[in-house]
Amino acid sequence: DVKVTQSSRYLVKRTGEKVFLECVQDMDHENMFWYRQDPGLGLRLIYFSYDVKMKEKGDIPEGYSVSREKKERFSLILESASTNQTSMYLCASSGTDRLDGYTFGSGTRLTVV
Amino acid sequence: AQSVTQPDIHITVSEGASLELRCNYSYGATPYLFWYVQSPGQGLQLLLKYFSGDTLVQGIKGFEAEFKRSQSSFNLRKPSVHWSDAAEYFCAVGARSGGGADGLTFGKGTHLIIQP
Repeated sequence: DVKVTQSSRYLVKRTGEKVFLECVQDMDHENMFWYRQDPGLGLRLIYFSYDVKMKEKGDIPEGYSVSREKKERFSLILESASTNQTSMYLCASSGTDRLDGYTFGSGTRLTVV
Repeated sequence: AQSVTQPDIHITVSEGASLELRCNYSYGATPYLFWYVQSPGQGLQLLLKYFSGDTLVQGIKGFEAEFKRSQSSFNLRKPSVHWSDAAEYFCAVGARSGGGADGLTFGKGTHLIIQP
């Protein structure tokens, strides 16, 4: 089975801190995605990457950046965490055909205090 | 741009009863359609998907969905729900573009509650 692993299930950070959320997949997938999930808003795409060192903005990229130095790893960076970034963050990956469906990690619940 | 509407935020069903979760999409061409389930505190798991062919699609855990082009719908059904089906359900639509922007658009989800 494809595994998408997010390094932390729960994270508590202070306002203004730089935060790194890590995601690793083990199926040699080309595409990786970061979503945030909030009650009543569903999943919103932050960034995605279709190749190493490539990235594309999603619907809500403000306040975030990403890094993809290796194919299996896709990092989400909060340059200066704010309380409105408290959320569930979900990483996903897919193969060459992005429309073949995504495999999701278990999520990281980030609280910014 | 594609969009997905899940009209029901919450649905309550008695255990053993049948279930139908609604999903309407907006997209000009033939869409790629998906249903995902999210158990509390977990990521999303793919239940089933539709690309083409038979409009009735079978998925895991006894779920099925029917694509109806005339109604722009892709409703999820299960003949008899179990308490373990209590979860959040997401419908998603995918579209191909000429550039690198292919991806899935998710609905806001339907929270399924199972009554004993």
